[in-house]
Amino acid sequence: DVKVTQSSRYLVKRTGEKVFLECVQDMDHENMFWYRQDPGLGLRLIYFSYDVKMKEKGDIPEGYSVSREKKERFSLILESASTNQTSMYLCASSSTGYGNTIYFGEGSWLTVV
Amino acid sequence: KQEVTQIPAALSVPEGENLVLNCSFTDSAIYNLQWFRQDPGKGLTSLLLIQSSQREQTSGRLNASLDKSSGRSTLYIAASQPGDSATYLCAALRYGGSQGNLIFGKGTKLSVKP
Repeated sequence: DVKVTQSSRYLVKRTGEKVFLECVQDMDHENMFWYRQDPGLGLRLIYFSYDVKMKEKGDIPEGYSVSREKKERFSLILESASTNQTSMYLCASSSTGYGNTIYFGEGSWLTVV
Repeated sequence: KQEVTQIPAALSVPEGENLVLNCSFTDSAIYNLQWFRQDPGKGLTSLLLIQSSQREQTSGRLNASLDKSSGRSTLYIAASQPGDSATYLCAALRYGGSQGNLIFGKGTKLSVKP
């Protein structure tokens, strides 16, 4: 069965802390994504990776960076967390090609205080 | 710029009713359109994917249609059940750029009353 695992479901961090959100997929997918979801704004793409060490900015990359050192793992990094980064973060993956289903993890709820 | 709209934002129906959820998109140049379900506090689960060359897809009690010319997709749920209560989102994968160009609607929150 397809699985995208986000290691932390709930996190509380202080303003200015460096935060790592980890995501692992077991489907050998080339593509991995990080979204954030906020009430009234829907899902917005932060970063996208189509291969190891490759990344593309999404719609809202400011304040975030990513790392993809291995195919199965995609990390989202908040260099200096701020309260406006309090949100639900969703990781997803898909195989290469434009007709393929995208699979999501369970989400990570981040609160920055 | 592609925009995806879902109306209504919320819908409440009695159990057993057949219902239709609507999704509209502004740019007909799409690769595919996907429907997802999201339970409270959880991630998204893919329900159906319709390629741009297709008109509809079916899975069990769900049927999704796509009309690119009018910029519309519908998700039909037959004989609704309380377990269908969730938020349903549609997303269009637009041409050009990378495979990250998946644009989501804000969803329709469905409540099925026993």
